[in-house]
Amino acid sequence: DGGITQSPKYLFRKEGQNVTLSCEQNLNHDAMYWYRQDPGQGLRLIYYSQIVNDFQKGDIAEGYSVSREKKESFPLTVTSAQKNPTAFYLCASIAAGDLSGNTIYFGEGSWLTVV
Amino acid sequence: KQEVTQIPAALSVPEGENLVLNCSFTDSAIYNLQWFRQDPGKGLTSLLLIQSSQREQTSGRLNASLDKSSGRSTLYIAASQPGDSATYLCAIRGSGGYQKVTFGTGTKLQVIP
Repeated sequence: DGGITQSPKYLFRKEGQNVTLSCEQNLNHDAMYWYRQDPGQGLRLIYYSQIVNDFQKGDIAEGYSVSREKKESFPLTVTSAQKNPTAFYLCASIAAGDLSGNTIYFGEGSWLTVV
Repeated sequence: KQEVTQIPAALSVPEGENLVLNCSFTDSAIYNLQWFRQDPGKGLTSLLLIQSSQREQTSGRLNASLDKSSGRSTLYIAASQPGDSATYLCAIRGSGGYQKVTFGTGTKLQVIP
């Protein structure tokens, strides 16, 4: 079945360490997004990408980096510069084309905890 | 910058009651508005999508409306059930530039048996 796969589901990061969250989709979607969700709060946009080899900063990009080398993959690296990385991270994608009618699809999320 | 607000932040109702969740946005230049459901510790599940040219969409006991001129959307849930307990989020897909998707802060719904 088509969908978005995020891994790992749970990840622990030590102080000063970079970690990478994986996001893979087999929906043939052009646009992909990374969001951060803190407990009891809404989703905040970290980065988004409309096409391969291109991406834009969202509202809270500091301390994060991404790459989009393949259409189906949009990994997120949480760097040591991100001082408060403990959160729930969600990856999403949308098809191009008839934009107004396209649904956003989400992965199941990754929990990142600093230890 | 698009800002999306959902009121109330939390809502508790007895089973069987009809209820309305609200979503307000500041920029009417949108492609669509989508309502999602999120269960604790899970990803988001799409409920309804309203295109910018539409006024409402229905699916089962759910009905969502869109009024771009006033920057408002409502999600109506009929005959609520305990299984409806979850957090409901609305999301706006903008029409400018890279079509950013902006989420509201969500309404946490509890339906009491």
